[in-house]
Amino acid sequence: AQKVTQAQTEISVVEKEDVTLDCVYETRDTTYYLFWYKQPPSGELVFLIRRNSFDEQNEISGRYSWNFQKSTSSFNFTITASQVVDSAVYFCALNDYNTDKLIFGTGTRLQVFP
Amino acid sequence: EAGVTQFPSHSVIEKGQTVTLRCDPISGHDNLYWYRRVMGKEIKFLLHFVKESKQDESGMPNNRFLAERTGGTYSTLKVQPAELEDSGVYFCASSRIEGGAADTQYFGPGTRLTVL
Repeated sequence: AQKVTQAQTEISVVEKEDVTLDCVYETRDTTYYLFWYKQPPSGELVFLIRRNSFDEQNEISGRYSWNFQKSTSSFNFTITASQVVDSAVYFCALNDYNTDKLIFGTGTRLQVFP
Repeated sequence: EAGVTQFPSHSVIEKGQTVTLRCDPISGHDNLYWYRRVMGKEIKFLLHFVKESKQDESGMPNNRFLAERTGGTYSTLKVQPAELEDSGVYFCASSRIEGGAADTQYFGPGTRLTVL
């Protein structure tokens, strides 16, 4: 069965700290996609990144970076020099390649204090 | 380009009543998905339309839920009669069909449904 685990329910940091959100997934598929979405207080889910299973290169986008490691089935997300605007719930998701549906983790609530 | 829109943003109804949620996908997106998040739990898949056809409705909880997408544009999700456990946030997402690969799903702001 496919599953996504985000063990951190809530993380609190002070502005400018670095923070890493963990995501561990399970799948028997050899082809799959992984995603991160951000849900700010306004409620919408904002797409952050999509990564396919054949591309293990780490990705950096401004203060955001993602570390994909197939050996440990992890797709962790790091925010460098966090800001108050980063406060949100972050969801990791796995795409079922055969059916297209997304399988989400339970989310990690990040609070960044000034 | 307008994003995915959902209406209403909030709905409060009593047990036994009927509620209809609407989703307008991004223009040109043939894939449309419904998901639901019950409080504190993960976001769960309900069903997937490709144009007007139901591709996968394996996540629909029971026959009190009816989804339609007439004409392959907007979609509605009707809950009739609503039960307490139906409370949650209902998200709609859409994506393009691109070479058989899973394209990114873009989500709407959700409809928060409260059943009293």
